[in-house]
Amino acid sequence: DAGVTQSPTHLIKTRGQQVTLRCSPKSGHDTVSWYQQALGQGPQFIFQYYEEEERQRGNFPDRFSGHQFPNYSSELNVNALLLGDSALYLCASSLAEQGIIQETQYFGPGTRLLVL
Amino acid sequence: AQKVTQAQTEISVVEKEDVTLDCVYETRDTTYYLFWYKQPPSGELVFLIRRNSFDEQNEISGRYSWNFQKSTSSFNFTITASQVVDSAVYFCALSVDYGGSQGNLIFGKGTKLSVKP
Repeated sequence: DAGVTQSPTHLIKTRGQQVTLRCSPKSGHDTVSWYQQALGQGPQFIFQYYEEEERQRGNFPDRFSGHQFPNYSSELNVNALLLGDSALYLCASSLAEQGIIQETQYFGPGTRLLVL
Repeated sequence: AQKVTQAQTEISVVEKEDVTLDCVYETRDTTYYLFWYKQPPSGELVFLIRRNSFDEQNEISGRYSWNFQKSTSSFNFTITASQVVDSAVYFCALSVDYGGSQGNLIFGKGTKLSVKP
């Protein structure tokens, strides 16, 4: 049973650049959520995708955007990178039965992004 | 607004000691879910338990136990006879109802547990 996978594991970018992070959900899951975890902090919710649409969004600027593909995998894009975007980006998946999410979210290993 | 508070930033114990991690939550919703996740140094969040607001039964799973008390808005986690492998950052999280569905997770700042041999 394949768990949540993310790529790449590590990434170094410079200010102003753009980055794309990828996530494949756990087998059987159809909903993907993205979280940002700064050093020493708890994860903060960015957004959630279901049926290829953004379902919920946290308090993040429009520089953060996402996409979900028909196979349920997802991408997180961040434009105009700032030093403060350096963090661990976590992807979580869950199952929405008839649009209702009652299941636990399972997390991937994350992508560590460093912005110089 | 919803909030999760984990007042203990770091805890250090010696192996075989019992340790309790505190979690206090705030929400005005009547339907909500509470979680504990473990984050080892590798970074991946490992799910430990989920409780919904209508089920106040305490739960025991091996050396782990959870005490859910709505009267004090607390969901504390106890590890009995701690082991070195329990060393990690532990997060308590809250999710409220979102249109009949489970909403996004709201995390506390985490408690770093160090278990020394």
